Amino acid sequence: GAGVSQSPSNKVTEKGKDVELRCDPISGHTALYWYRQSLGQGLEFLIYFQGNSAPDKSGLPSDRFSAERTGGSVSTLTIQRTQQEDSAVYLCASSLQGDGTDTQYFGPGTRLTVL
Amino acid sequence: GIQVEQSPPDLILQEGANSTLRCNFSDSVNNLQWFHQNPWGQLINLFYIPSGTKQNGRLSATTVATERYSLLYISSSQTTDSGVYFCAVEPYNTDKLIFGTGTRLQVFP
Repeated sequence: GAGVSQSPSNKVTEKGKDVELRCDPISGHTALYWYRQSLGQGLEFLIYFQGNSAPDKSGLPSDRFSAERTGGSVSTLTIQRTQQEDSAVYLCASSLQGDGTDTQYFGPGTRLTVL
Repeated sequence: GIQVEQSPPDLILQEGANSTLRCNFSDSVNNLQWFHQNPWGQLINLFYIPSGTKQNGRLSATTVATERYSLLYISSSQTTDSGVYFCAVEPYNTDKLIFGTGTRLQVFP
């Protein structure tokens, strides 16, 4: 079956603009995660969804970052008033149950460049 | 928070050689996964291995949970094995993976 998909694959934006990144998890997976990978910080967790609820938002770096998930499926990560330090690859992952007993599968990522 | 350390940070091999990558973690974990990040940035699942030993072709992994480490073995390496290998752990009572800093592997013909 299809894996995790993300769009766009690349996004270049100007400082101060808002951006939306999309993730389509594997069908039937109840858990969805956002991570980001940057040169200085490595791979870091941002937010976790179980269904449409986000019980763990602890990794969101500032209140400019938000995310939602609808219908227990698609998720959107929104970054408002982008800054240059937001430049990174944003990765989405999904897992069947999200209780630590199963594998997280990652999408190809969205490379965000803030000029 | 939990610390995840990987060694070595860099590894250069000739095709056909074997290698062992190590992941140490500082607390008990619910989940441990090994990933290969290919040159295009895709994270590919290798193993879900919170404990025990698993094998998949030329790759195998062992996690000794009581001693808080995991090993990834690559045998008869190929140029396509090049990339960065990440270990990631999920501590108890959390729902997130904590990644190590990775081992960058380069395999030359």
